[in-house]
Amino acid sequence: DSGVTQTPKHLITATGQRVTLRCSPRSGDLSVYWYQQSLDQGLQFLIQYYNGEERAKGNILERFSAQQFPDLHSELNLSSLELGDSALYFCASSTLTSGGIVAQYFGPGTRLLVL
Amino acid sequence: ILNVEQSPQSLHVQEGDSTNFTCSFPSSNFYALHWYRWETAKSPEALFVMTLNGDEKKKGRISATLNTKEGYSYLYIKGSQPEDSATYLCAFPNRDDKIIFGKGTRLHILP
Repeated sequence: DSGVTQTPKHLITATGQRVTLRCSPRSGDLSVYWYQQSLDQGLQFLIQYYNGEERAKGNILERFSAQQFPDLHSELNLSSLELGDSALYFCASSTLTSGGIVAQYFGPGTRLLVL
Repeated sequence: ILNVEQSPQSLHVQEGDSTNFTCSFPSSNFYALHWYRWETAKSPEALFVMTLNGDEKKKGRISATLNTKEGYSYLYIKGSQPEDSATYLCAFPNRDDKIIFGKGTRLHILP
């Protein structure tokens, strides 16, 4: 158990809908990262937050947005969902502002299925 | 565009044998390299964070080396055991905090 929690574990929804994925980092970690893993794709970095502020942006679509709240939990909002958004979404956390020099701790993931 | 390549994609190894696989990354502007183990139905788990050229890290039967000048890292597993079956990922963070993961090497240990 990494100490990172994600809810829900599974989500099934329809195209055009909007969903919110939630992540709570490990106690004491200020950085939260979101990743997407689609079929046959590696982990794709979406976005990073540090202590409430957006820190780095990866391959995140404009239909997706995220935020980190004062209690450090983070939410990833996915809107106007398409079939291709079906994927496993991971959240990870780390202690430092810069993710490079320390390992990240991954949550169990949310599996999203868009029908 | 930064590319992180891992080879081989998949590997079958007899229990008790040793094995190794490679992660290649851009050698310019090196910052750090991460190795993760990802077991089926679980989430990736950190193995090593490597930052210095020539670094060698070890955790039990697993070790990793780093060559930042030529842009590669090797992960070695000595005396493979069934519990080593997993996908091994390397990740290349840059100074802008964008992190690129390789697609992984899927290791199968045969009894």
